[in-house]
Amino acid sequence: GAGVSQSPSNKVTEKGKDVELRCDPISGHTALYWYRQSLGQGLEFLIYFQGNSAPDKSGLPSDRFSAERTGGSVSTLTIQRTQQEDSAVYLCASSLGPGGEKLFFGSGTQLSVL
Amino acid sequence: DAKTTQPNSMESNEEEPVHLPCNHSTISGTDYIHWYRQLPSQGPEYVIHGLTSNVNNRMASLAIAEDRKSSTLILHRATLRDAAVYYCILKTSGSRLTFGEGTQLTVNP
Repeated sequence: GAGVSQSPSNKVTEKGKDVELRCDPISGHTALYWYRQSLGQGLEFLIYFQGNSAPDKSGLPSDRFSAERTGGSVSTLTIQRTQQEDSAVYLCASSLGPGGEKLFFGSGTQLSVL
Repeated sequence: DAKTTQPNSMESNEEEPVHLPCNHSTISGTDYIHWYRQLPSQGPEYVIHGLTSNVNNRMASLAIAEDRKSSTLILHRATLRDAAVYYCILKTSGSRLTFGEGTQLTVNP
């Protein structure tokens, strides 16, 4: 595709429910990143994929958060038993490779946990 | 990660040049200096990056001090669409981007 695509653009869920957020990177980009941004805050790194493997998961805030990437393309970020503090914009980015110097970001998924 | 220091906010007038400063006194030899910007309700957007030499592209220029302990992002003619948060980030090849608080740029008509 022309850019990084994320879906859904908005997600409202109830506390305790599980949610899945999807990211379609730019075709041919092997590196994929997940970030989140709480209201009025900076971007917080969550996880980095190179191909299907995740060499850096250090930013995942708890074991309720997990992510996978299949076929070296689409990635899914799953949040189990959502809490109100999980409310944020979840941003995905991709780049050509691990040394790729330009990250291309999607528009994000706005997650609201009621 | 080596840290960067940026002013919290800056103001400019439309069609005037803007110089956004960034200090990075603990930069290492393998750190590239990256600039991204984030417009309201959008994901960050790559602006420019460099290692030692000054860089120019269609969006901006990056001036890097000779000792590399500071740099300046230059927007040659600010427009209202340039109003955004500008992030200065040090990154080694293959590492992730670590965002700080950035500089909120306001452009006055």
